[in-house]
This record gives sequence, C-alpha cells and structure tokens, in this order.
Amino acid sequence: GIQVEQSPPDLILQEGANSTLRCNFSDSVNNLQWFHQNPWGQLINLFYIPSGTKQNGRLSATTVATERYSLLYISSSQTTDSGVYFCAPGGDKIIFGKGTRLHILP
Amino acid sequence: DARVTQTPRHKVTEMGQEVTMRCQPILGHNTVFWYRQTMMQGLELLAYFRNRAPLDDSGMPKDRFSAEMPDATLATLKIQPSEPRDSAVYFCASGLAASTRVEQFFGPGTRLTVL
Repeated sequence: GIQVEQSPPDLILQEGANSTLRCNFSDSVNNLQWFHQNPWGQLINLFYIPSGTKQNGRLSATTVATERYSLLYISSSQTTDSGVYFCAPGGDKIIFGKGTRLHILP
Repeated sequence: DARVTQTPRHKVTEMGQEVTMRCQPILGHNTVFWYRQTMMQGLELLAYFRNRAPLDDSGMPKDRFSAEMPDATLATLKIQPSEPRDSAVYFCASGLAASTRVEQFFGPGTRLTVL
C-alpha cells in the first residue's frame, strides 16, 4: 500500500512565526487531504488538495502530484494552531501519516 | 450546519461486553468510513461503505467487529466481545464520492475504554 512520510515530526515555534510542513507519498493518488487535530481530538478539514495550490486565510497548501509530495504552509502562527497536522493521501481509501505535532508558544 | 454526528461520545465498559457505536453521516453523502485511532497505530481505516454497501472491511478484526448501514442515515460499528486492546477513539467520516474523488468529513469520535 501507499507509504506516507510527514516531516518534521515535531515543531515548536513562537507565536507569529511561519512554518512549512511536508508530506511525501509513495504512489500516485486521486485524493489528498490535510487535517488539523486540535488538543480536544477533533479532526478538522484544512484542505482537499490532490493537486495544485489552495489558500485559506493564513494557511495554504500545494500538492505536486507528479513528484509525490504536498506542503502545508502556516503563516503568522497563533496558539490556536497548536495540535497535530495530518496528511492523508490515497485513492478511495486515504492513508494517514504519523503527523506533525506543532506547538505554538505565546 | 451539516456535520457528522457520533454517539456515544464516551463509553467505558468491561471486557466481554458488547459495544455499539453509531454514526449519522452528512445528509446526501454516499460514502461512510470507520477509523480507529490509538497512540501506537495512529489512524487506521477499519471499513467503508458506498451507497450502504460494504466496499472494504479488511482493516477490521473479523471475529469480533462488525459494521453495518441499516439505512442511509445510520452506520453502526459493533464489538462483541470487547477486549482491553479495543480501547481507542473510533471516528466515523462521510463524503460524497464523485468518480475517483471523495473528500472526507470526520465526526467528533467515540472514546472507548474497555476495562
């Protein structure tokens, strides 16, 4: 099955900093989503992005399907951005990476 | 606003008991997924349905787990008998499949503790 690798595994930043999270995957995909799991355990949809670039406020994402990677950009981090960010590429079934744990310090 | 709902949100039970978790997908969505999240294994797909038909349950322990969709507005996941290793958060997600693409929306999860 498809292999998913997310980096970095952990990230600690000061409020206001920018960050780039990376997701590499081993096979071509029809679907790719980025999720934020907040400290209360909720999985929040950030982007559905099997290819191309999207932006939503301070967040943006780019997927280069031909090179099998996706990037999530977070600008001007806020403490509410803390949590785990999952990349989930796949076909009908998406496979979750292990996530990047982000901690934003006030 | 439209969202996936799951009940119960928390369940504590004793080993050997039957556990039933319920999910109401977003109205109009034709695909329903069940996931399990543990610290050790992360998020794993257990089973999924399209138009109420099971498409894949290869992630599910067959001897004790069963998943059904009695109707389009209800999906159930049962564990019988439950074991302590089943302790986890169980998520349901739904989506509207169009050709090969489906965006999934997750419910709040059921936190199961088996003593």
